[in-house]
Amino acid sequence: QSALTQPASVSGSPGQSITISCTGTSSDIGAYDYVSWYQQHPGKAPKLIIYDVSYRPSGVSTRFSGSKSGNTASLTISGLQAEDESDYYCTSYRSGSTWVFGGGTKVTVL
Amino acid sequence: EVQLLESGGGFVQPGGSLRLSCVASGFTFSNYAMYWVRQAPGKGLEWVSSISDSGGNTYYTDSVKGRFTISRDSSKDTLYLQMNSLSVEDTAVYYCAKRGSRGTQFHYDSWGQGTLVTVSS
Repeated sequence: QSALTQPASVSGSPGQSITISCTGTSSDIGAYDYVSWYQQHPGKAPKLIIYDVSYRPSGVSTRFSGSKSGNTASLTISGLQAEDESDYYCTSYRSGSTWVFGGGTKVTVL
Repeated sequence: EVQLLESGGGFVQPGGSLRLSCVASGFTFSNYAMYWVRQAPGKGLEWVSSISDSGGNTYYTDSVKGRFTISRDSSKDTLYLQMNSLSVEDTAVYYCAKRGSRGTQFHYDSWGQGTLVTVSS
């Protein structure tokens, strides 16, 4: 059960936009619009920030947006802020009633 | 407010067993599928197991099949993970998570604080 592929790290300056990619296969990301994204600060539990590819839960900043094309999903953070420095994980439902996570991306605000 | 409170983690020798519990509150537990997700030290998140709202369907990642058993008790609003034949590779923080309430519901909208399992000789 191979993990989804994310870049290990992405960085940007305050106010910039960054995009984190998440590449899967035709059995997960390519097959379902069930991609979600989680933010995890050190020592804390993950927090849902995007579900169903592009929907934001209430209370999540509009600076977070999600999209998908083929087997690749993306998370964009606009107007980067210091508080956005964190680890980000994508996940997708996969055929066979299983789930797969990405390896995680560390976002650094320069 | 949804709350998930895990317990049962600790130190165990290889080949040993542990049972994790997750007490849920703030929502109708019996209406939602539940999950266990783990995170090895310094590593990423890994889905471990799922259980349907009724408890009638369970699923596992390949590496724990035959060793771990997920279950639930709706009378106690509690999720369990029985872990047998533990190996050092099972060392991780174990989180319980609740199925989403919106859209397709194919996401985890609430997480516990996690419980640490350490397998070592």
